[in-house]
Amino acid sequence: NAGVMQNPRHLVRRRGQEARLRCSPMKGHSHVYWYRQLPEEGLKFMVYLQKENIIDESGMPKERFSAEFPKEGPSILRIQQVVRGDSAAYFCASSPSGLAGGQETQYFGPGTRLLVL
Amino acid sequence: GQNIDQPTEMTATEGAIVQINCTYQTSGFNGLFWYQQHAGEAPTFLSYNVLDGLEEKGRFSSFLSRSKGYSYLLLKELQMKDSASYLCAVRDPNDYKLSFGAGTTVTVRA
Repeated sequence: NAGVMQNPRHLVRRRGQEARLRCSPMKGHSHVYWYRQLPEEGLKFMVYLQKENIIDESGMPKERFSAEFPKEGPSILRIQQVVRGDSAAYFCASSPSGLAGGQETQYFGPGTRLLVL
Repeated sequence: GQNIDQPTEMTATEGAIVQINCTYQTSGFNGLFWYQQHAGEAPTFLSYNVLDGLEEKGRFSSFLSRSKGYSYLLLKELQMKDSASYLCAVRDPNDYKLSFGAGTTVTVRA
């Protein structure tokens, strides 16, 4: 049973370019979360999605960032016109249910490390 | 708001015991998680507490006191491979989001 898959593992972009980060949840999981980890900082929640729905995007910057989780295919985190401050590790996590009860653990992918030059 | 505090760094000797404390002040609570993260890798789930008391899993144990807003992770019989960052996270009761502390880097020395 494959775990959460993310690609690419490393991504280098120049300022002003677009970055697309992909996440395939664990088999049987329909809930996806994106977190960002800045150097020397903790993981910060960005967005929570279910298939074709954004449930909570309260942690997403208001501009340049968007996320989707289509009916078919991986979840995509898109960053337009990247700036140096976007350099970070972006982690995707999935769970079988978004219900806040029981031991619904979120399982993390290996992350995408974005470097903006 | 969410405020989750844990020490930045700890050092211990192979075979010893280390206790990592986590205090939290959050707008709500629906469980506390501990994750282990090796450098450059994904966080991996270690433990979950929602009721007061101690949960034991092999060499790792986690304790929770909800009235004190306090948890600790206890690592026994330390091994070199335990050198990693340990993340404390609180789950919001209204949804599913995890709020993380900044992590505690544990270094195990021979």
